Amino acid sequence: AQSVTQPDIHITVSEGASLELRCNYSYGATPYLFWYVQSPGQGLQLLLKYFSGDTLVQGIKGFEAEFKRSQSSFNLRKPSVHWSDAAEYFCAVGATGGFKTIFGAGTRLFVKA
Amino acid sequence: GAGVSQSPSNKVTEKGKDVELRCDPISGHTALYWYRQSLGQGLEFLIYFQGNSAPDKSGLPSDRFSAERTGGSVSTLTIQRTQQEDSAVYLCASINSGGTNTGELFFGEGSRLTVL
Repeated sequence: AQSVTQPDIHITVSEGASLELRCNYSYGATPYLFWYVQSPGQGLQLLLKYFSGDTLVQGIKGFEAEFKRSQSSFNLRKPSVHWSDAAEYFCAVGATGGFKTIFGAGTRLFVKA
Repeated sequence: GAGVSQSPSNKVTEKGKDVELRCDPISGHTALYWYRQSLGQGLEFLIYFQGNSAPDKSGLPSDRFSAERTGGSVSTLTIQRTQQEDSAVYLCASINSGGTNTGELFFGEGSRLTVL
């Protein structure tokens, strides 16, 4: 069965510092992998996705993620965090065609001045 | 419509009452999902529809929960005899699972349910 683990419930970083949010997945085949962001009072928005090909994918708002099959990981990174990045971030794994996309518990990011 | 629309946005009900939550997906999107987000929790998968059928309803917490979709469009999630633990935000998402499928789920703003 598919599952997604985000080991960090919350993370605090200083504005301008780099960020890495961890995500580990379990899936029997090549997964579709996603990162979504949920800003306060807003709906979920797709940041980036991985289907195949280059294992380093670029997303919106300066985010990137790297798929590492050997580690079953899909960590999200950003070189320099902005205060507006404070939000909850969800990693997700989907089956072919996007069916039954399963989400992790989320990591809440706090940004301090 | 332009986006996924959910109603009501907020619902307060008394324990034991039935509630209906509605989702109107993006026009032309063939697949529709329901998730539940409880305070401090992730998104819990409830059910998904492909057209009007539900190939996977394994996430429905109990037989008090049911959902239907008609005309390949609007879906209704019904919770009977609500309990306090049903309090959560119920999120609907749709996806174009056809030839142009990118895997991206498009979410509505959610329906916040509070059971007193």
